[in-house]
Order: sequence, then C-alpha cells, then structure tokens
Amino acid sequence: DARVTQTPRHKVTEMGQEVTMRCQPILGHNTVFWYRQTMMQGLELLAYFRNRAPLDDSGMPKDRFSAEMPDATLATLKIQPSEPRDSAVYFCASGFEGISYEQYFGPGTRLTVT
Amino acid sequence: AKTTQPPSMDCAEGRAANLPCNHSTISGNEYVYWYRQIHSQGPQYIIHGLKNNETNEMASLIITEDRKSSTLILPHATLRDTAVYYCIVRVYYGGATNKLIFGTGTLLAVQP
Repeated sequence: DARVTQTPRHKVTEMGQEVTMRCQPILGHNTVFWYRQTMMQGLELLAYFRNRAPLDDSGMPKDRFSAEMPDATLATLKIQPSEPRDSAVYFCASGFEGISYEQYFGPGTRLTVT
Repeated sequence: AKTTQPPSMDCAEGRAANLPCNHSTISGNEYVYWYRQIHSQGPQYIIHGLKNNETNEMASLIITEDRKSSTLILPHATLRDTAVYYCIVRVYYGGATNKLIFGTGTLLAVQP
C-alpha cells in the first residue's frame, strides 16, 4: 500500500531556530504539494512541484520559507528563522498529473514554535 | 470557482449521508472533487467528476445537469465516516498549475 511519508511527525522548537520537514512522495508520482493547516486559516497551499521543478510557491512566505526537491524521492520544506506564528500542521501530498487526478496526503508534521 | 457547503451536518449510523455543495460559477472544464479529513489525519481523496454521476467503493457523486451544484452520498454511514468533507472545484490555469483550493468544508457527525 503506497503512502506518502513525512518526517518528523512532531517538532517543538524555539523561535529563531531552523526547521526542516521532509516528505517522501509515492513512487512514480510527478507532482508534490506542501500545505499548511491552522485553525484560523484552514488548509493553505504553500508550494507545488511538477517533475521536481517548482511551479507555484505564491502561498509561501519567501523571506523565511524554502521548498526544494533534491531528488524524486525527497521533498523538503525549511523555515529559517522560525516564528511562533509558523506553528501549524504541515502536510505533503503527491499525485500524478493528468486531465484529472487526485492528491495523496501524508500524515503531516505538527510544528510548535515557542 | 468558489464552493459553498453547510458548516455541519448530522447523520444516523447506517443511514445515507447526503452532503450538498454549491458551485454556481464552475467553468466547463473544471472538475468537482471531494476530499475528507478525519481528525488529526491528512485529507483523503474520495471521488471526482466532471458532468456525469460517479460511483466508487466509498461514495457516489451526483452532479446537477447545469453543474451548479453536486451532492456527495455516503450510502451507509458509519462512525468512522465522521470527518470534515471538502468540496473543491479544481482550478486550472492554462497548463501551468493545477491547484486544489480547500474551503472550510462540512463537518459530518455520524451519530450512533
């Protein structure tokens, strides 16, 4: 049963520290998405990759967030420096793009910045 | 296109759950997707459709002829179906991006 995996599942850090979240998409999928979920804002799209190339990161705060895909099996989301307002659950999803397609979500990384 | 869903609904266990969604500004090439999110888990794909009714092992999707609204049907709801259900119209920008924009969804509470 192919699944998207995310590490770590939980992260508590102090303000100002660097945070790196990792995602392993489902093998064969060519799109990867990063979402953030908070009670106030709901699910927000942060970044979107197709064939490892960034297509849309308009939802991501550029000054402190960065998203990359070093290879087809790994996507990373970094926050540097982290702030308390970054506390949220971060989800990674992958899919195979076509005329219509679904996204498969990972279990999320719960980030708490104190 | 924007979607409108009721914020919450109740359903008795074993009965059909019918979740409505309005998408009156949907474009001709936009699909209707349904996802759900069980507490503390990532969203899960349920079903999608363009204009015809669709059915899979999880649910049925009924889209009106004018495509301005749809209904997700869970034929025999169980307690494990308690979740937030999102109706999403897929935004397509000329091939450059394909996004799913999540709204606030409907919290379905299945009662024993």
